[in-house]
Amino acid sequence: GDSVTQMEGPVTLSEEAFLTINCTYTATGYPSLFWYVQYPGEGLQLLLKATKADDKGSNKGFEATYRKETTSFHLEKGSVQVSDSAVYFCALKGSSGSARQLTFGSGTQLTVLP
Amino acid sequence: GAVVSQHPSWVICKSGTSVKIECRSLDFQATTMFWYRQFPKQSLMLMATSNEGSKATYEQGVEKDKFLINHASLTLSTLTVTSAHPEDSSFYICSAPEYSNQPQHFGDGTRLSIL
Repeated sequence: GDSVTQMEGPVTLSEEAFLTINCTYTATGYPSLFWYVQYPGEGLQLLLKATKADDKGSNKGFEATYRKETTSFHLEKGSVQVSDSAVYFCALKGSSGSARQLTFGSGTQLTVLP
Repeated sequence: GAVVSQHPSWVICKSGTSVKIECRSLDFQATTMFWYRQFPKQSLMLMATSNEGSKATYEQGVEKDKFLINHASLTLSTLTVTSAHPEDSSFYICSAPEYSNQPQHFGDGTRLSIL
């Protein structure tokens, strides 16, 4: 079945540091890929998405590129802020079968220090 | 934009109580909604898929008699945790896709604490 492997945390960075959170996936066909962010005590918010190979999703300074050759969708941000502290989830939606449900990675806790 | 509203956001109750959690899609219709459970510092685990007008589809290992799901309308799904016990304490989150090819919208979650 589909699976998502995400870089384990927690990750602690200083403000303005560069961020990379690795995400790789296993799926048949052509899944859609997502990054969600969860702030403390809240539900998930979509951060960015990519629906086909070589697509780059971007939002709020975060970027991720759908790499089919390496089955990866790594999240990056050039300069993190304290307000970026949250848990980040990589997820995929399969292209067949129960295509509406999401498969999540384990989540990565990010803490940005001032 | 499209929003999913979840209520209540926090519940504390005694063991043996049944608790109902509501998930509403605002300004869009959702024939399918999803219910997830999240343990502290862990990922979301899909519990069941709620289908409007038909029975929910439960994931393996999820007790359907324990977690009752009712999708009575195109904008409302409810999850009832029956005879809740401390081990049912968790963070429950619902989600709904506005369109089949669009990302899911998530509710803000319900933190359930059973004493």
